[in-house]
Amino acid sequence: SQTIHQWPATLVQPVGSPLSLECTVEGTSNPNLYWYRQAAGRGLQLLFYSVGIGQISSEVPQNLSASRPQDRQFILSSKKLLLSDSGFYLCAWSPLGVGGSDTQYFGPGTRLTVL
Amino acid sequence: RKEVEQDPGPFNVPEGATVAFNCTYSNSASQSFFWYRQDCRKEPKLLMSVYSSGNEDGRFTAQLNRASQYISLLIRDSKLSDSATYLCVVNSNSGYALNFGKGTSLLVTP
Repeated sequence: SQTIHQWPATLVQPVGSPLSLECTVEGTSNPNLYWYRQAAGRGLQLLFYSVGIGQISSEVPQNLSASRPQDRQFILSSKKLLLSDSGFYLCAWSPLGVGGSDTQYFGPGTRLTVL
Repeated sequence: RKEVEQDPGPFNVPEGATVAFNCTYSNSASQSFFWYRQDCRKEPKLLMSVYSSGNEDGRFTAQLNRASQYISLLIRDSKLSDSATYLCVVNSNSGYALNFGKGTSLLVTP
């Protein structure tokens, strides 16, 4: 069966510090991968998606970036965090194909607080 | 107009009650529809997909009305464990993104 891992589970970072969140998927090949953010009182916002190694599409311009160095690894990064980057970051995967039509499965998330 | 709109609630219902949530979406070309459940401070989990013909899974029934662009979720015989936020989800124009509603909060009380 497929499982998705995210770490760390919680993170407190000062403004201006760098960020690296990692997500890995097991039990499947060539998944579509996604990064979402859920800010307090708001819905999930898609940040990035990837349909293959090195292929990243950005949905919202911001100071975040994503990379996919391996088939089942997805990384979310920032060089300098802003207060507004606080939120619940969720990684998700879906089977290869037109990702938006397939069910997406979420990892346990990373709760980021920027102070 | 927002892509997906839901009544945020909260819906407070007693155990055993029947409760229904509605959701409207703006993109008439949408093809995929889902209900997810999200417990407090946890990740969303798929509750059920919503098919054109409607579908049922135990106490849960989902309906799709394409003409009016709304989706419904009916929960019968509510349990305390049904307390959660229910997210209405619709695929977007891009074909990859899913648009999530902000969710409807349900609290089932003894």
